[in-house]
Amino acid sequence: AQSVTQPDIHITVSEGASLELRCNYSYGATPYLFWYVQSPGQGLQLLLKYFSGDTLVQGIKGFEAEFKRSQSSFNLRKPSVHWSDAAEYFCAVGAKGGKLIFGQGTELSVKP
Amino acid sequence: ETGVTQSPTHLIKTRGQQVTLRCSSQSGHNTVSWYQQALGQGPQFIFQYYREEENGRGNFPPRFSGLQFPNYSSELNVNALELDDSALYLCASSGGLADSYEQYFGPGTRLTVT
Repeated sequence: AQSVTQPDIHITVSEGASLELRCNYSYGATPYLFWYVQSPGQGLQLLLKYFSGDTLVQGIKGFEAEFKRSQSSFNLRKPSVHWSDAAEYFCAVGAKGGKLIFGQGTELSVKP
Repeated sequence: ETGVTQSPTHLIKTRGQQVTLRCSSQSGHNTVSWYQQALGQGPQFIFQYYREEENGRGNFPPRFSGLQFPNYSSELNVNALELDDSALYLCASSGGLADSYEQYFGPGTRLTVT
């Protein structure tokens, strides 16, 4: 069955430090992969997507993610975190019927 | 370009009642998906509508039903509410079956069942 695992429930980083959020997926075919961000009480905002081609994808707000088929991973990175990046981050894979399967989320806190 | 809108923002219902949540898709989008997000969890797919037909359904009981209208807006109806139905309900729109995975979300409706 398709699934997405985000191993880290909560991560704290200092402002200006680099960030990497982990995502592992289980899917039989070439996956469509996404990262979303959710601020408290808000809907989800699409950060970036991978459908095919270049395995390093750029998104909004300075985020990037790298697709590694051999590791079934799609980790999200940012070179320098800003206080406004504090939020919940969700990785998702596209499945049959237009469905997105989401991970449990990683809550990011940013220390001043 | 207008984004996805949902109404109401919050609502409180009693167990056993029925509720209808509404969603207007982003301009130019003809596909709408609904998700349930329980506290501290990732969103769970309920169903997707494409041009007024159900395109896919997640693992939710039949008391969760939906509609899509000719203007591509959508409703989610939940009958016989249970306490576990308390959640944030998210609507997402996309630009058609070929792009159905690239989904843009509304702010959600927070449903509390007492």
